[in-house]
Amino acid sequence: EVQLVETGGGLIQPGGSLRLSCAASGFTVSSDYMGWVRQAPGKGLEWVSTTYSNGNTYYADSVKGRFTVSRDNSRNTVSLQMSSLRAEDTAVYYCARTYCGGDCPFENWGQGTLVIVSS
Amino acid sequence: QSVLTQPPSVSGAPGQRVTISCTGNSSNLGAGYDVHWYQQLPEAAPTLLIYANTNRPSGVPDRFSGSKSGTSASLAITGLQAEDEADYYCQSYDSSLTGSVLFGTGTKVSVL
Repeated sequence: EVQLVETGGGLIQPGGSLRLSCAASGFTVSSDYMGWVRQAPGKGLEWVSTTYSNGNTYYADSVKGRFTVSRDNSRNTVSLQMSSLRAEDTAVYYCARTYCGGDCPFENWGQGTLVIVSS
Repeated sequence: QSVLTQPPSVSGAPGQRVTISCTGNSSNLGAGYDVHWYQQLPEAAPTLLIYANTNRPSGVPDRFSGSKSGTSASLAITGLQAEDEADYYCQSYDSSLTGSVLFGTGTKVSVL
C-alpha cells in the first residue's frame, strides 16, 4: 500500500527557513515522480514543484529561487527546503506521487503539513 | 497567465445530476493535454477521482464521469448523494511554462 507522510510544518517568521519532509512507503521515490502541492487557508490547490525520476525538478514561478527539493533514496524521502518565506507561503503543503512530469495525475497524496508564516 | 477556470459553486438535490466545467486555452486543454479531477472532502487531502479525461480509479463509483472537448472539460455527478458534498478540482499541464502543472480554480458542490 502506498503511503505518504509529511512532517516539518509549523510557525515561522517572515524571511525564515523551514524544511518539510515526505516519507514514502509502498514504492521507491527515486523511480517515480514526486510533487509538492500547497493550499492556502480557504483557497484552492496550487502546484509547487515536480521532481522527475531523473532528479530534475521544476518549480512554480511563485517559489522559484526560494524553494529547493531534494531526495534521500536511502530513507525513501523527499524534502522541500523553503527559504525567504513570505506570508503568502502560508498553506497546507501536500506531497504527492505521480508517474510523469507532464499531464499525469497525482495518484497518491499525503495528509499534508501546515506552514504558517507570521511574526 | 494560464488558468483553468471552474465555477465557484454548483448545487443539486439528492438524486440529481450536476456538472462542473473546467475551461482552459490553447496551451493546456486545447493542446491535447489530459485533464484529471480530484475530490477534496472537508478537512481532508485531495483524492484522485477521474484521470486522463474519462477514467475512474478503482473504487470510484460510476456516478462520477468525465469528458473533454477542445479547450474544455467536464465532470458529471449523477445520482447526487450527501457524501458528494466536497470541493472538486481539475488539473492539467500547460506548455507555456516548462514543467508547469495547472490546477483549476475549484468548485464547491453542495447537496441541498
